[in-house]
Amino acid sequence: GAVVSQHPSWVICKSGTSVKIECRSLDFQATTMFWYRQFPKQSLMLMATSNEGSKATYEQGVEKDKFLINHASLTLSTLTVTSAHPEDSSFYICSARVGSLEEQYFGPGTRLTVT
Amino acid sequence: LAKTTQPISMDSYEGQEVNITCSHNNIATNDYITWYQQFPSQGPRFIIQGYKTKVTNEVASLFIPADRKSSTLSLPRVSLSDTAVYYCLVGGNAGNMLTFGGGTRLMVKP
Repeated sequence: GAVVSQHPSWVICKSGTSVKIECRSLDFQATTMFWYRQFPKQSLMLMATSNEGSKATYEQGVEKDKFLINHASLTLSTLTVTSAHPEDSSFYICSARVGSLEEQYFGPGTRLTVT
Repeated sequence: LAKTTQPISMDSYEGQEVNITCSHNNIATNDYITWYQQFPSQGPRFIIQGYKTKVTNEVASLFIPADRKSSTLSLPRVSLSDTAVYYCLVGGNAGNMLTFGGGTRLMVKP
């Protein structure tokens, strides 16, 4: 149990276009989902926290107009990278948590390459 | 937020026991300690979680001293497939277990 999926697993897009990444909790309902970004050989950096039905909370330095997060249901959160640039190329990982439990369940990640 | 400090890297050989220690001097009373494993181009995978003393599961043990200012992840008899980055996270309710430290890059050699 406790499986989180992401789609797509990898995507290549042209500079200036937008890309949507989906994060789904397959066998549980996630009250909170998190989005992380990870550059090569670096640790995960939290971008934003989203709770179902409410606006996402973004970490300092993360542009909310560029990284649009929607958490429309208890099993789906989406991250849209708008007007992507090469510097947005990274590994994007989502995670989900049930209620106040401490354990987070991570998705497999999405590799974004902007050319 | 409780900050964590881990060794940047460790080397070991197959069949050995590996102990990775994490320092978290400003851990709060309601904070738990959780360890994750991450392979390249994959999301982190939950290994073990604890609050105090010792916790053991099928893959690892977690030792937490009485002051809880550090914790040690113990991997018994590592294999090549245990080569990965291991992260220690500290946090409690209200979503404050969200900060990843630098992690420890474990290299298991034959």
